[in-house]
Amino acid sequence: EADIYQTPRYLVIGTGKKITLECSQTMGHDKMYWYQQDPGMELHLIHYSYGVNSTEKGDLSSESTVSRIRTEHFPLTLESARPSHTSQYLCASRGLARTDTQYFGPGTRLTVL
Amino acid sequence: GENVEQHPSTLSVQEGDSAVIKCTYSDSASNYFPWYKQELGKRPQLIIDIRSNVGEKKDQRIAVTLNKTAKHFSLHITETQPEDSAVYFCAASNRQTSYDKVIFGPGTSLSVIP
Repeated sequence: EADIYQTPRYLVIGTGKKITLECSQTMGHDKMYWYQQDPGMELHLIHYSYGVNSTEKGDLSSESTVSRIRTEHFPLTLESARPSHTSQYLCASRGLARTDTQYFGPGTRLTVL
Repeated sequence: GENVEQHPSTLSVQEGDSAVIKCTYSDSASNYFPWYKQELGKRPQLIIDIRSNVGEKKDQRIAVTLNKTAKHFSLHITETQPEDSAVYFCAASNRQTSYDKVIFGPGTSLSVIP
């Protein structure tokens, strides 16, 4: 079934560790996004990509980086995790057509101790 | 920059009553307005959307209205049920360009009291 997959779903890690949050979609979408969201709160766009080798920073300043080497894969990396990074991270994607809906992945809940 | 305002931030209604959530947008070039519902612990999911060439759209108990002149759009839920309890996000984007970004409102937490 076409969907957006995120791993891990939950992660508890110590300060200073490097982490990568994985996002893969089997929907054939070109556009992909990363949002940061505290539970039930506002969605903050932190990175987006319009296709392979395209990455842009979003509206919320973030110390994370992203890469887009393959269409279906859009990982997010934190070089040195801090407690302020504790949040939920949602990956999303949509197609190029003007009518295409934006779909969200299930999210990764990150806790940095 | 572009922004979307959303009111109220929290809303409590009795089961069976109607709920209305209102949004305003700043970018007059916006032409696509989706609404997402996010239940506790789950991902946001699209429940209805409207394009700028339409003033109103209905899907069973849910309707959305758009006033392009005033740059307002609203979500109406009739005959609310406890399972409608969730956070609702409005959004706006300009689908005329390939580089559109969806700008989300801050969300409305809806509680339907049985």
